[in-house]
Amino acid sequence: GESVGLHLPTLSVQEGDNSIINCAYSNSASDYFIWYKQESGKGPQFIIDIRSNMDKRQGQRVTVLLNKTVKHLSLQIAATQPGDSAVYFCAEDTGRRALTFGSGTRLQVQP
Amino acid sequence: GAGVSQTPSNKVTEKGKYVELRCDPISGHTALYWYRQSLGQGPEFLIYFQGTGAADDSGLPNDRFFAVRPEGSVSTLKIQRTERGDSAVYLCASSLLAGDTDTQYFGPGTRLTVL
Repeated sequence: GESVGLHLPTLSVQEGDNSIINCAYSNSASDYFIWYKQESGKGPQFIIDIRSNMDKRQGQRVTVLLNKTVKHLSLQIAATQPGDSAVYFCAEDTGRRALTFGSGTRLQVQP
Repeated sequence: GAGVSQTPSNKVTEKGKYVELRCDPISGHTALYWYRQSLGQGPEFLIYFQGTGAADDSGLPNDRFFAVRPEGSVSTLKIQRTERGDSAVYLCASSLLAGDTDTQYFGPGTRLTVL
């Protein structure tokens, strides 16, 4: 299938290392943030979300950090695996439910 | 359980033709969303349904684009007089529309190619 994000910023990590993917969001009125993973030929897959009244949220192997002062969001993946290779998008919601997506980052995991 | 499904998975059409893209949301999900994703970019919002009505259609690019959800479940995105610039992956998502956080779950998309 066609690759998603042929000209995206790329983060290359070794299997087993931790990965950090960053995102700068644009709207200070956004109050809900989501990270999605998209593999080639597939739709975005929900990973983790966070509301603006929190600055950190943890899931299984993933952590999202939110810094509202500088409008910055990050996704940390612990012990990165080859199956984590994909394009990662952050998305923001002002409450309208119309998500605004970032431009995406390609994560490549080297075995 | 079954996720969001979209048909067809691929659609090739000629400039000027009419196309319909179908979305079957997750059973029980009240909200349904359409997005468009061009190569190398993130999805862009088109329209959002709450039940049968369009709650927000601010993302539809022009009046050639129209979407319906007559029974509050399946939705059809309709594009008239297609143009080459309409070529993209059209994504559908659905959500429960409950609580403060309302996760949108996406389907695999329909790849539209306008020749």
